[in-house]
Amino acid sequence: GAVVSQHPSWVICKSGTSVKIECRSLDFQATTMFWYRQFPKQSLMLMATSNEGSKATYEQGVEKDKFLINHASLTLSTLTVTSAHPEDSSFYICSAIFRSLSGNTIYFGEGSWLTVV
Amino acid sequence: EDQVTQSPEALRLQEGESSSLNCSYTVSGLRGLFWYRQDPGKGPEFLFTLYSAGEEKEKERLKATLTKKESFLHITAPKPEDSATYLCAVQAWDDKIIFGKGTRLHILP
Repeated sequence: GAVVSQHPSWVICKSGTSVKIECRSLDFQATTMFWYRQFPKQSLMLMATSNEGSKATYEQGVEKDKFLINHASLTLSTLTVTSAHPEDSSFYICSAIFRSLSGNTIYFGEGSWLTVV
Repeated sequence: EDQVTQSPEALRLQEGESSSLNCSYTVSGLRGLFWYRQDPGKGPEFLFTLYSAGEEKEKERLKATLTKKESFLHITAPKPEDSATYLCAVQAWDDKIIFGKGTRLHILP
């Protein structure tokens, strides 16, 4: 069945460095992917919508220069956290729209834990 | 404004005690309503998609229903392993996905 895979599952980086998280759709092409951030015991917060071949659409309050999103192919979107700071530590999740004749389904990746030290 | 409200925020049930979770929504052009289960530290796991009022779907002890204003996730005779946060989301006409804050379900053995 349709699956979305994220990598890495967890990453620790030093303050001031950049880190990239990959989101891949397996067995299907995803023209639209989403990136979320989630703090403990809170719901998912949409950061941006990633469209293949075009610029991502960022939600209000999300710094586009800090959270770089690239959706260069129909199966891969990447989120790069630039100049990371400890407050960027969080659980980042991606999702992708699986479109079929019977309707759309949104599948999520396993999530990526980012810790900035 | 597109909005999704889930209730209750938290629910504690005894094993075998059936109940329902509610998801009320207002959205411009509903393309789909989704239910997910999320365990701590993991990504949401897809459960159901509902597309139109009157639709129902079942999976093991779970049954999801949809009206024009809300969706219910019915849990029949739950087990401790059903403990999780259940998320509801709607997809608007422009593909935007709006999530509720979730219901934290705890099933006591």
